[in-house]
Amino acid sequence: EAGVTQSPRYAVLQEGQAVSFWCDPISGHDTLYWYQQPRDQGPQLLVYFRDEAVIDNSQLPSDRFSAVRPKGTNSTLKIQSAKQGDTATYLCASSGTKNTLYFGAGTRLSVL
Amino acid sequence: GDSVTQTEGLVTLTEGLPVMLNCTYQSTYSPFLFWYVQHLNEAPKLLLKSFTDNKRPEHQGFHATLHKSSSSFHLQKSSAQLSDSALYYCALSDGDMGYKLTFGTGTSLLVDP
Repeated sequence: EAGVTQSPRYAVLQEGQAVSFWCDPISGHDTLYWYQQPRDQGPQLLVYFRDEAVIDNSQLPSDRFSAVRPKGTNSTLKIQSAKQGDTATYLCASSGTKNTLYFGAGTRLSVL
Repeated sequence: GDSVTQTEGLVTLTEGLPVMLNCTYQSTYSPFLFWYVQHLNEAPKLLLKSFTDNKRPEHQGFHATLHKSSSSFHLQKSSAQLSDSALYYCALSDGDMGYKLTFGTGTSLLVDP
């Protein structure tokens, strides 16, 4: 069974630039999550979907971050105008019926 | 809100000695508890999760017991191996509300020969 796939693996930006992260969850998993993991900290939930619907985006900085999952499969997380404080690893995860999250390898973002 | 506390940032021990990593939690309901392990430059991977019937989960020699009375889910192993060196996260899930995880700050385990 293929795992959660994320791309790109790395991104380096100047402040003010935009970037998009892409995630392909495990086939059949209806729930998809985006987590932010700053260096030396635990993952922190940004947003999660069930199918195409946003269930909770309360921790997503709405002025610069957006996330979509239009067909209930793949998902894109976008940062409109990156700041140095956005430097982190962005993890995508998916889950099905067994209350277990499976994580992708993540995208490591550096904002200079 | 929900929270998970891992009091040790770094645990260093010698191969063959027992491992115990602490985890306590606060929650207004009866959550599921998890341990995830993250090796360098890799994604977190599930190590253990609690059962609803109070069975003790075990995997790769690790085990953890959910004690609701003390709100704890400490991770233990009888004999550490060099390959156990990694970052360990305790997390809780709201279960019925979508399975989103709240993570602790993590404990780095370093096993020396």
